[in-house]
Amino acid sequence: NAGVTQTPKFQVLKTGQSMTLQCAQDMNHEYMSWYRQDPGMGLRLIHYSVGAGITDQGEVPNGYNVSRSTTEDFPLRLLSAAPSQTSVYFCASRGRSGVYGYTFGSGTRLTVV
Amino acid sequence: GENVEQHPSTLSVQEGDSAVIKCTYSDSASNYFPWYKQELGKRPQLIIDIRSNVGEKKDQRIAVTLNKTAKHFSLHITETQPEDSAVYFCAASTSWGKFQFGAGTQVVVTP
Repeated sequence: NAGVTQTPKFQVLKTGQSMTLQCAQDMNHEYMSWYRQDPGMGLRLIHYSVGAGITDQGEVPNGYNVSRSTTEDFPLRLLSAAPSQTSVYFCASRGRSGVYGYTFGSGTRLTVV
Repeated sequence: GENVEQHPSTLSVQEGDSAVIKCTYSDSASNYFPWYKQELGKRPQLIIDIRSNVGEKKDQRIAVTLNKTAKHFSLHITETQPEDSAVYFCAASTSWGKFQFGAGTQVVVTP
């Protein structure tokens, strides 16, 4: 049981490049979310999903796309990277019963130059 | 939508003293309130949570209290130790809804 696995751990992009941050969970959790964390800003929700085939926007969705074709995977795509997207990105998942709190992945530190 | 305010933003305590972090929320439909601890360079980890049908919950040196009428909840850490130094986040949500996190509190425990 690996929990929530994020790849890569570190990434440097040039402005305008695109990339996909990968997230996978093996806990059969229905809910998955992507957060970005900037100094002094806490955790801000980018996109989330309540199950395969269902996604919705969070508070800072611009510049990001998601899809949820399987229960396990929830990739985050940066369409055209900008310096403002330099941040630490966390993927998290939780189930419908039991502990309602999110389990977080180890994060991806992204720098856009 | 939900709005969560967290205070203070930084908290310095002497080892052995207590620490209290307070959060307020705006959505009266919120019924789940978790607390996360994040050590430097690590992922946030759930340390305690409380649901709206409970007023207080305790786990060893940490406790959380909830006042639904006033829409605020607090984290209490007693007998603080250096390993309690971290950033703590509160959050609020409905059972199946989005989590809204507070901005975080940097706790520093000095020996």
